[in-house]
Amino acid sequence: GAGVSQSPRYKVAKRGQDVALRCDPISGHVSLFWYQQALGQGPEFLTYFQNEAQLDKSGLPSDRFFAERPEGSVSTLKIQRTQQEDSAVYLCASSPDGLPYNEQFFGPGTRLTVL
Amino acid sequence: RKEVEQDPGPFNVPEGATVAFNCTYSNSASQSFFWYRQDCRKEPKLLMSVYSSGNEDGRFTAQLNRASQYISLLIRDSKLSDSATYLCVVNRDNYGQNFVFGPGTRLSVLP
Repeated sequence: GAGVSQSPRYKVAKRGQDVALRCDPISGHVSLFWYQQALGQGPEFLTYFQNEAQLDKSGLPSDRFFAERPEGSVSTLKIQRTQQEDSAVYLCASSPDGLPYNEQFFGPGTRLTVL
Repeated sequence: RKEVEQDPGPFNVPEGATVAFNCTYSNSASQSFFWYRQDCRKEPKLLMSVYSSGNEDGRFTAQLNRASQYISLLIRDSKLSDSATYLCVVNRDNYGQNFVFGPGTRLSVLP
């Protein structure tokens, strides 16, 4: 079956530009997560949705970062006025329900480069 | 102290070797523990969950010591295909939906 998909796979932005990253979770999955992964590091939690509700956004690094999941399915991570330190791979993951021990299924990521 | 720490690596081992990875976590309230595997330039994938009693899946054995806040992963009879980065993952709170990934330990299995 279809896994988690993300688009675009690669994005090059000029500093100060706004970007929008899309995530299509596995159909029917309740939970959706966004992570930021810098080179040579593990993924860092950004935010978490259960259906359309954003239950935790404690990992968003600044108010330039905004995520939404208005219909409880597709999610968009928006970064305003991008900075060079925003360069990273942005990973989206989904899991079937809100239980803490479930496997997270990751998408291939969007590699963002800010020049 | 970082919330999740792992052996810095990299580990370079010959085929057939046994290798062990260590992970420590700082939040004593954590309830869920996992090992994920990440191939170069790919997304992480679940390798195995870690249970209090310890668990085994083929050549892989995971152990949890809650008192010491320590998790381990043992790989026996290493294969070339085991070459990857191994990520220790711990939930940050009782609801289990805010996960902390360790920095990962890279393993290269050599022919």
